[in-house]
Amino acid sequence: GQQLNQSPQSMFIQEGEDVSMNCTSSSIFNTWLWYKQEPGEGPVLLIALYKAGELTSNGRLTAQFGITRKDSFLNISASIPSDVGIYFCAGQLRDNYQLIWGAGTKLIIKP
Amino acid sequence: DGGITQSPKYLFRKEGQNVTLSCEQNLNHDAMYWYRQDPGQGLRLIYYSQIVNDFQKGDIAEGYSVSREKKESFPLTVTSAQKNPTAFYLCASSIRGRDYGYTFGSGTRLTVV
Repeated sequence: GQQLNQSPQSMFIQEGEDVSMNCTSSSIFNTWLWYKQEPGEGPVLLIALYKAGELTSNGRLTAQFGITRKDSFLNISASIPSDVGIYFCAGQLRDNYQLIWGAGTKLIIKP
Repeated sequence: DGGITQSPKYLFRKEGQNVTLSCEQNLNHDAMYWYRQDPGQGLRLIYYSQIVNDFQKGDIAEGYSVSREKKESFPLTVTSAQKNPTAFYLCASSIRGRDYGYTFGSGTRLTVV
């Protein structure tokens, strides 16, 4: 099935550092979504983006819907230990509202 | 509180057995989905249902079956035909025709013993 290109695959960072990850696609999406999954749990929605160029924040998280509608990025500022997990991007198609998923970015914070 | 409940949290299956994973939601969502997640991997769609009594195969439907007799419930059966069933299974639901994304359950970890 179709999948988004999400990068990086994993990140090892120090506490307090800023984090940036992105997703790209050859398809145009109606909506971009960012989810976080903690070990042994289901993904939880962090940010939803509905308009090209939209920039939305949720606490220390900021995400943008690319102008071309084919990409999105997520930034986390001043990372803390509870930020560890897997971050997934998902694009929602207008025609059937199905989600297309990225493979995830695993965030690990070095002690 | 509205939500989506998966049970059991952990499930062990002997080879050759069928097992059924439960997924129930009280969000009044029309659409429901089943995903499989392998260690270190992303989400792969098994089956989805947009309305009661209707469902479609996803990318990896072989060896699985579903039913959608009630709006609230979308059970997944992992049959003996699924050769590598050990994985983390996630159920999700959404409002049909709306771009609000999906709400996920907390998952079922299935292990073949």
